[in-house]
Amino acid sequence: GAVVSQHPSWVICKSGTSVKIECRSLDFQATTMFWYRQFPKQSLMLMATSNEGSKATYEQGVEKDKFLINHASLTLSTLTVTSAHPEDSSFYICSAGGLAGGRYEQYFGPGTRLTVT
Amino acid sequence: GIQVEQSPPDLILQEGANSTLRCNFSDSVNNLQWFHQNPWGQLINLFYIPSGTKQNGRLSATTVATERYSLLYISSSQTTDSGVYFCAPCQGRANSKLTFGKGITLSVRP
Repeated sequence: GAVVSQHPSWVICKSGTSVKIECRSLDFQATTMFWYRQFPKQSLMLMATSNEGSKATYEQGVEKDKFLINHASLTLSTLTVTSAHPEDSSFYICSAGGLAGGRYEQYFGPGTRLTVT
Repeated sequence: GIQVEQSPPDLILQEGANSTLRCNFSDSVNNLQWFHQNPWGQLINLFYIPSGTKQNGRLSATTVATERYSLLYISSSQTTDSGVYFCAPCQGRANSKLTFGKGITLSVRP
């Protein structure tokens, strides 16, 4: 099946620093990747949609200058949390959209747990 | 945008029991996916089911698009079925975003 990886799986950083999270589709090409944020015991909240080679589309209320998204290739998207603060601590999950069995599905990475101290 | 309601919010089962999880949505959809989020946070694709019925082992799903609901059936539940189950319909074209429900937390006790 389709496999999506994320790196790192967890990260602890100090307030004011930036953190980059990578999302890779390992065995398929993903023209579209999605970034979600999930707080404890809550649902997934879509942050942005990124298409290879173009600017990301951010959901309302998500600061594009704080959460920088780059989708440089059909297999790699990155999310950079700039000048992180404790309120940015969360579980970040990416998904990649790909064709499987003639239909389009989203496949999810294992997530990255960010803790900002 | 589309509203997604899942019920019940929490479910506790004894191992071996069967259950039905429901997902209602407020508008027509082009596709719908069911996911299981395990205790480590990984979302696992269960079904892609815009309409009709599918079965995969002990799990099956039915979507009645005209009545705007989908059901996930779990038979002979096991402790490894524990976690959160999300349904996520999509209204747009193939690579459009999914809208997630709040999820159903399932605990299966040995």
